Amino acid sequence: DAGVIQSPRHEVTEMGQEVTLRCKPISGHDYLFWYRQTMMRGLELLIYFNNNVPIDDSGMPEDRFSAKMPNASFSTLKIQPSEPRDSAVYFCASSFRGGQGSKQPQHFGDGTRLSIL
Amino acid sequence: AQTVTQSQPEMSVQEAETVTLSCTYDTSESDYYLFWYKQPPSRQMILVIRQEAYKQQNATENRFSVNFQKAAKSFSLKISDSQLGDAAMYFCAYRSAGDMRFGAGTRLTVKP
Repeated sequence: DAGVIQSPRHEVTEMGQEVTLRCKPISGHDYLFWYRQTMMRGLELLIYFNNNVPIDDSGMPEDRFSAKMPNASFSTLKIQPSEPRDSAVYFCASSFRGGQGSKQPQHFGDGTRLSIL
Repeated sequence: AQTVTQSQPEMSVQEAETVTLSCTYDTSESDYYLFWYKQPPSRQMILVIRQEAYKQQNATENRFSVNFQKAAKSFSLKISDSQLGDAAMYFCAYRSAGDMRFGAGTRLTVKP
């Protein structure tokens, strides 16, 4: 079975440029999560969707960040304009509701390592 | 708000020995799940073990087991017969409603 697929694996770009990170969740999963991981702040939840609808975006750091989920099999996280402090590893994860409610484990993609110069 | 605390930034263990990683959490919910994830240098996040709060029996997965103390809100991970491949960052996580909260992680070193 295909896991969560993220692209690109690595991204290096200059400050001020627009960055778009992509995620394909596991088929059948109805929750999708975006995380950011840095040495200083650890793993931070940015936003999560349920059935393509954003549920909680309180972790999105600034208006420069936006996320969309146009359908059940695709999501994007966009940073515009990008800044050096946005450099981090960005993870996408998905899960399904399951019989026990929304308490299933999350399955993570391999992450995108973003470097803003 | 739910918080997850891992008080050990780093731990080390000798190969073949046992190590316990600590995790505490704060919640007012009664129904929730707890997880341990492993992140090796490859940076993949790998689910190690999970525990349902309504179950009293501690979860076990091969060499990995947990000590779940619901009243104390404690959820420690025990790794028995440690192997070199166990070296990684370990994250404790809590999930009640939709989202999941992670601790800051514990870096485990395994000495040959």
